[in-house]
Amino acid sequence: DTGVSQNPRHKITKRGQNVTFRCDPISEHNRLYWYRQTLGQGPEFLTYFQNEAQLEKSRLLSDRFSAERPKGSFSTLEIQRTEQGDSAMYLCASSLDNHYNEQFFGPGTRLTVL
Amino acid sequence: RKEVEQDPGPFNVPEGATVAFNCTYSNSASQSFFWYRQDCRKEPKLLMSVYSSGNEDGRFTAQLNRASQYISLLIRDSKLSDSATYLCVVNLGYQLTFGKGTKLSVIP
Repeated sequence: DTGVSQNPRHKITKRGQNVTFRCDPISEHNRLYWYRQTLGQGPEFLTYFQNEAQLEKSRLLSDRFSAERPKGSFSTLEIQRTEQGDSAMYLCASSLDNHYNEQFFGPGTRLTVL
Repeated sequence: RKEVEQDPGPFNVPEGATVAFNCTYSNSASQSFFWYRQDCRKEPKLLMSVYSSGNEDGRFTAQLNRASQYISLLIRDSKLSDSATYLCVVNLGYQLTFGKGTKLSVIP
């Protein structure tokens, strides 16, 4: 399977714990994105990487959230001191470096904070 | 005003029907436009990019009116497998902005 992969697929954690998610983009894609989706809403943009550089961050990305893409390949999204409001589906997408920006999504990580 | 607004739905249609989804966007600088399909508890999948001249892919036709900031999707001869949520999406810079989606149920 050459699509975007994410793991874990599901994560249940207690409030206050730290969690980390991983995304592996499509291999030839140098752009990588993180989105968050809650029930009944469309995905909301969190952050964007061009190769290893994090070029854009949403206001949704509080200081408890950090994302990295150290070698320009896979990316991690860490949430520190989780809160119940962090419960959502976290989606990763990747795209080629062109102006049209067609993004392809991974299966997501569903986070439940108890 | 929301950045991307879609018909609230849900749309319940019989097999074989033609169904149209409409969408408006607020930022005139938006650069590219898409329809994504999302099945329950799955990731969004790119259905079609929407070009200024309009484009067709089998039973699906997408139209863009930049002057009115309006995007549409027409599905002809609906199949049971078309049941899903359809998300209208605009691209500004690097980020995609999604509508809330319109749920379609195709009934036998």
